[in-house]
Amino acid sequence: DTAVSQTPKYLVTQMGNDKSIKCEQNLGHDTMYWYKQDSKKFLKIMFSYNNKELIINETVPNRFSPKSPDKAHLNLHINSLELGDSAVYFCASSHLAGGRYEQYFGPGTRLTVT
Amino acid sequence: GDSVTQMEGPVTLSEEAFLTINCTYTATGYPSLFWYVQYPGEGLQLLLKATKADDKGSNKGFEATYRKETTSFHLEKGSVQVSDSAVYFCALSDVSVQGAQKLVFGQGTRLTINP
Repeated sequence: DTAVSQTPKYLVTQMGNDKSIKCEQNLGHDTMYWYKQDSKKFLKIMFSYNNKELIINETVPNRFSPKSPDKAHLNLHINSLELGDSAVYFCASSHLAGGRYEQYFGPGTRLTVT
Repeated sequence: GDSVTQMEGPVTLSEEAFLTINCTYTATGYPSLFWYVQYPGEGLQLLLKATKADDKGSNKGFEATYRKETTSFHLEKGSVQVSDSAVYFCALSDVSVQGAQKLVFGQGTRLTINP
């Protein structure tokens, strides 16, 4: 069974388009995250949701809008895609427990904007 | 803000060599510390963790000790294998006022093991 799954795995699109990435976890966790990994492998948190409530919102352009329909799902919608949005996007989940619990990561979605 | 600094890569070793990947951190609180590993084409997996000073995390022959006095969490393995080739990330976890866990990652160290 896949613990944290993301779709699609690869996404190639043109500048200016709008796209979504979906994430689902079956671990019973109450907190989910989106991270961005750039071409140099640097990972940075973007958003975090706990029980459908946004609890972390880093400095991310407002073209990026996360949505959590329930605590098992966290989707990422990106408007007006730019070349600089090309990266690998990772979803993760954990229990909300003061930093003591590990985060489980999905396999990543490689977004390429041309 | 909190930050993590890892030794620059790439690191290339021969099989059965001793491995050290240095990691130091800056944090205002008392973070938990982690090593994550990313195999080619995959997501991150937790390798080991330590939640307080002097704790030693270990897994698959890898070890790291939480050193508060030197703010370090160096990763070591006595005898590496070709299958250990991957990118290794040191990370710390701190807690926001809402109780949210935030992972801050180092820049990653690419390790290649030659047979």
